[in-house]
Formats: sequence, C-alpha cells, structure tokens
Amino acid sequence: DVKVTQSSRYLVKRTGEKVFLECVQDMDHENMFWYRQDPGLGLRLIYFSYDVKMKEKGDIPEGYSVSREKKERFSLILESASTNQTSMYLCASMGTPGYEQYFGPGTRLTVT
Amino acid sequence: LAKTTQPISMDSYEGQEVNITCSHNNIATNDYITWYQQFPSQGPRFIIQGYKTKVTNEVASLFIPADRKSSTLSLPRVSLSDTAVYYCLVGGAGSYQLTFGKGTKLSVIP
Repeated sequence: DVKVTQSSRYLVKRTGEKVFLECVQDMDHENMFWYRQDPGLGLRLIYFSYDVKMKEKGDIPEGYSVSREKKERFSLILESASTNQTSMYLCASMGTPGYEQYFGPGTRLTVT
Repeated sequence: LAKTTQPISMDSYEGQEVNITCSHNNIATNDYITWYQQFPSQGPRFIIQGYKTKVTNEVASLFIPADRKSSTLSLPRVSLSDTAVYYCLVGGAGSYQLTFGKGTKLSVIP
C-alpha cells in the first residue's frame, strides 16, 4: 500500500511565523503535490514537483515556497504566515503522470 | 484543463444505486476522466478512471457516452459509509495538473 504521511494533523501558528509542512511518501514516486482545501472552493494546487530539486507553480503559489531535496520528501514553506493561509493542506504523490494520486491525511493549519 | 460541472449535493437511502453525473463539454481527445472520494478529515482517494464506454471495478462503475461530454459514476447499493464528497476530474495522460472542482456531497440516509 502506498503511504503518504504528513508531519502534523493540526498546527497553530502566529501571524508572521515561518511554517514548515512536511510530506513523505514511500512509493518511490517522482511526482509530489501540495494542495490547500477551503470550504466552498474545493482543492487548489499550490506547487508540484516532478523530480528532486524541481518544482512548478500551481494555481495559487503566492505566499508559499517548496523544497524537494530528497525524492521521498516534499516540504511546503510559509515564509511569513498570514491569517488567510488558515486552511487544510493536503500532500499527494503520483507515479505515472495523469493517473492516480495518493493523498496524505492533511494538516489543518490555523494562523492566529 | 477541461472544466467539470457536478451537482453540489445528493441524498440517497441505504441500499439504493446512486448515479452522479459530471459534465465536461470541452474535454480534449487525450483526456481521461477520473473520480475521487473524500471522507471528512481525510485526503481524497482514487475510485475509478476511464476514457470511453464503461469501466467497472470492485467499488464503482463509470459510464462514458460516445461524445465524452459527460460521465456518470454509479455506486451500487450504497451504505452509510459511502457518505462522502465525490470529485470528477478531467485530464490527459501525462498531465501533472489535476483540477478538483467543488465536488458532489453525497449523504446516505438510513
């Protein structure tokens, strides 16, 4: 079974703090993704990575950065957290592009 | 990326067959149709994928008419545990970007 794990299920941070969300997958997938999910808006793609050290912007990259130093690990960074970044963050990995994505359990981030 | 339209919500009684239809009028020739299921406080989970006609697996069936401008996810004899949000996605083989719409919230009633 593919397993995608995320570093925290719940996280509370203050405005202006630097926040790291980590995601690890165990299927040797080349492709990894970060989404945020908000009520009424569905899932929106923030960034994705198709190889180590490679990244591409998704639909809403503003205010975020990512890091992929190892194949199994993909980190999402909020350089200076703001209240409008309060959301559910979901990580996913994918083998063959266009096919099944495997999602982690999500991190519910609250920025106060 | 082709845009999809699905009903916002549906209700069904336990034991009934549920059909959720998705409209994707501008689907491209190389696009596949994929459905995901999401339970509260969990990430989405792949259910089924197809290109044309009918695909069936142990969980669901996917019906795609010849013009491919719509598709229907069929869940046989639903139970309370099928209460979830169901997302229809359209994208090409080789595509990295999937566009999740707002999904259809299915509520199964005892």
